[in-house]
Amino acid sequence: AQSVTQLDSQVPVFEEAPVELRCNYSSSVSVYLFWYVQYPNQGLQLLLKYLSGSTLVKGINGFEAEFNKSQTSFHLRKPSVHISDTAEYFCAVRGNSGNTPLVFGKGTRLSVIA
Amino acid sequence: DVKVTQSSRYLVKRTGEKVFLECVQDMDHENMFWYRQDPGLGLRLIYFSYDVKMKEKGDIPEGYSVSREKKERFSLILESASTNQTSMYLCASSSVAGGPYNEQFFGPGTRLTVL
Repeated sequence: AQSVTQLDSQVPVFEEAPVELRCNYSSSVSVYLFWYVQYPNQGLQLLLKYLSGSTLVKGINGFEAEFNKSQTSFHLRKPSVHISDTAEYFCAVRGNSGNTPLVFGKGTRLSVIA
Repeated sequence: DVKVTQSSRYLVKRTGEKVFLECVQDMDHENMFWYRQDPGLGLRLIYFSYDVKMKEKGDIPEGYSVSREKKERFSLILESASTNQTSMYLCASSSVAGGPYNEQFFGPGTRLTVL
């Protein structure tokens, strides 16, 4: 079975500073990794996903994530955050079947301070 | 533009009532999912469905049932609502084509309060 641990429940950061949101996964099979964002009072939308190949994945809104198989991590980064990045971020994992649901972490609330 | 819609954004019900949460997707997706979201607990899977009339239990099915009579519609039913079912409910859908790379598309959520 797959599982995901998001290491920080809340991350406050000043505007224009860099940020890293941490995610570790466990799985006994090949994994497919995703980051979703949830803005206040909205559903989740996909930021990026790791398929295969390059370990650095670029997503929307200037976010990127690096897949590290040896450390079983998939940390999300942005070099300079904006107020509008204030949201909750979820890391998710799926095993090697397209029919299995995504398994989500507990989320990290990013608060960008002016 | 892909779309998952949920019948209500906010719902207030009384303890013991039967509650129906409706979800419709317009993408012809085979898979549909119901999650509940609670602070500090993230998203937890209640039920999912691979096809019409098919359903599978998720991690927390107790107190819930589902119905999928048509491909585009997936309903979550609270047979007798209780206060501990006060939560945000999120519906999602995904395609089978493309395998495990497929993202799940989410609706806006229904915030249910049970008094």
